[in-house]
Amino acid sequence: DAGVTQSPTHLIKTRGQQVTLRCSPKSGHDTVSWYQQALGQGPQFIFQYYEEEERQRGNFPDRFSGHQFPNYSSELNVNALLLGDSALYLCASSSAGLNEQFFGPGTRLTVL
Amino acid sequence: AQSVTQPDIHITVSEGASLELRCNYSYGATPYLFWYVQSPGQGLQLLLKYFSGDTLVQGIKGFEAEFKRSQSSFNLRKPSVHWSDAAEYFCAVVGAAGNKLTFGGGTRVLVKP
Repeated sequence: DAGVTQSPTHLIKTRGQQVTLRCSPKSGHDTVSWYQQALGQGPQFIFQYYEEEERQRGNFPDRFSGHQFPNYSSELNVNALLLGDSALYLCASSSAGLNEQFFGPGTRLTVL
Repeated sequence: AQSVTQPDIHITVSEGASLELRCNYSYGATPYLFWYVQSPGQGLQLLLKYFSGDTLVQGIKGFEAEFKRSQSSFNLRKPSVHWSDAAEYFCAVVGAAGNKLTFGGGTRVLVKP
C-alpha cells in the first residue's frame, strides 16, 4: 500500500510565477488537507478538501487555491508567487470523520 | 481558537538518557492530541495519538505520552533515546472530527554520543 505521495519533490520558481503541486492520498482515504511549513516552524493549515469541495480553510490569501478530483487526488495552486511562499508544502490524507491524518513527504518550493 | 505551545525549541540529550518533550494546548473541550516526528527534509510520521480513555498512551519507537487535563498538557517521553531519535518533534491538536490540525512550533532533539 503506497502511502501519501506528492509531486514534484522540489521546485524552483521566480516571483510572480504560478505553481501547481500534486497529492495522491493513501488508499481508502477520501479527505485531503494541505499544510505550509516554513523553515524552522510548525506546519500551518491551508485548506481541506472532501467530496471535491473545499471544506475548511486556514488564514491564507486567495492566491492559494486547490482542487480535488473524483479519485480523491488533489492539487494545490499558488498564483503570483512571493518570496515568502518558499516552504515545504505537506499533503495529508484521512478518512472522513476520522482525525488521524497521514502525511506525504512534501514538496519543497523555493521562490527566487 | 485552539493553540499548541511547545516551550522548548531545542533539547540536547545523551544517547541512552531519558527524554521528555513538553506540550501545552488550549482548547475549550476535550481535544484530540497527536505527536509527530519529522526527520530533516522529510514529511511527518505519527508517533502516537490520544482521543479518549487511558491518559497514558503508547506509541511507536518506544515513545509514550500522558494527557493531563488539569494542566492542559500532553508531554512525550522516552526512557532511553537512540541516536536515530534525533529529529524534530511536533505536538498537534484537532478540535473536532475531521478538522484541521493545529501544530506547535516544534522541538528539535539533538542526541549526543
